[in-house]
Amino acid sequence: DTEVTQTPKHLVMGMTNKKSLKCEQHMGHRAMYWYKQKAKKPPELMFVYSYEKLSINESVPSRFSPECPNSSLLNLHLHALQPEDSALYLCASSQERPREQYFGPGTRLTVT
Amino acid sequence: GESVGLHLPTLSVQEGDNSIINCAYSNSASDYFIWYKQESGKGPQFIIDIRSNMDKRQGQRVTVLLNKTVKHLSLQIAATQPGDSAVYFCAETPNAGGTSYGKLTFGQGTILTVHP
Repeated sequence: DTEVTQTPKHLVMGMTNKKSLKCEQHMGHRAMYWYKQKAKKPPELMFVYSYEKLSINESVPSRFSPECPNSSLLNLHLHALQPEDSALYLCASSQERPREQYFGPGTRLTVT
Repeated sequence: GESVGLHLPTLSVQEGDNSIINCAYSNSASDYFIWYKQESGKGPQFIIDIRSNMDKRQGQRVTVLLNKTVKHLSLQIAATQPGDSAVYFCAETPNAGGTSYGKLTFGQGTILTVHP
């Protein structure tokens, strides 16, 4: 199984809502990542988890809160988002080496 | 500042032609370079990678060339097919260890369109 799954596929939320994005992989990878991608732009790293511990936070606003409940799951909790946070949110995973990252299909988030 | 960028934002080719996508980088500490393909509505898909101690690596129909002297990376696709139409990103990651370990920095991307 070389698949990273993400749910939901699409999400529309208001600025006062609380929602969560979910990512799952069963490849035994020990590193998991969240990226944000705006239209016609490259993915931008947000967070890196290594062995279920947060190892990189790219100065992401606190309205984004990551969580890694176990080695297969990665969540991104969203609260009080702004319209400019609308984007494609990508999850990825890799083995200890950070290089060969496998990406999920993403969650298309719209903040109204 | 550090950056990984592309010379051409779009590339149109005929089916069967060879395609060359270029990428420039500025971080001399970059240790590992990767090419990703992103089709519409999908996440990036790993194509091929190369380490900084190599100058060429070949895969199936793809070749990556690395010129560390001029900090230039290229992806060559042989006999391009309509299914190759996508956005191609180069990405780099620094050496193992240090605070940037695990950080993948993407270039701006090139849109490849293959005409039948």
